[in-house]
Amino acid sequence: DAGITQSPRYKITETGRQVTLMCHQTWSHSYMFWYRQDLGHGLRLIYYSAAADITDKGEVPDGYVVSRSKTENFPLTLESATRSQTSVYFCASSQTSMETQYFGPGTRLLVL
Amino acid sequence: QKEVEQNSGPLSVPEGAIASLNCTYSDRGSQSFFWYRQYSGKSPELIMFIYSNGDKEDGRFTAQLNKASQYVSLLIRDSQPSDSATYLCAVRMAGYALNFGKGTSLLVTP
Repeated sequence: DAGITQSPRYKITETGRQVTLMCHQTWSHSYMFWYRQDLGHGLRLIYYSAAADITDKGEVPDGYVVSRSKTENFPLTLESATRSQTSVYFCASSQTSMETQYFGPGTRLLVL
Repeated sequence: QKEVEQNSGPLSVPEGAIASLNCTYSDRGSQSFFWYRQYSGKSPELIMFIYSNGDKEDGRFTAQLNKASQYVSLLIRDSQPSDSATYLCAVRMAGYALNFGKGTSLLVTP
């Protein structure tokens, strides 16, 4: 029972590089979410997806791109990483928009 | 901006005592409310959710919702050192979005 997984778990990159964070869930949940968590800000929604090929912006989408070609995968791409994108990134999923969101283990990203 | 406010703590309680964690929210249209627990370096995990006014109990945990006063609370009875964590309050308004508070740090001392 893998649930929801994220890879890599830790990543160090340099400013200007492209980075892709992966999220995979085995529950066939329709909804998937990307959050970032920073000290002093709590969890903030970056993007979400209601189904394959349906995505929408959250509170802090600038500098990020998402895609969802398959229900189980929801990758997050930082097209040109900046130091301000150093954070812990959590993927979450839920069966419907009204149900509980379950979180993956997180990816710790450091942008130098 | 729709706000979810929590006291950052740390809230320190002795083992065996009741820990009371509070959360207020600004949007009267909020529909459902969640409490997550997050250990240091780990991801948030759901403790409870509540949709209706009143109390909801699950083991040692009780969630309380008062929509008129716009607050939701979490009581932890017989607190254990393993309950030491950060507790996140999340509020869902219309649609999909969860708004999270910044969390309250709880320390249960032996």
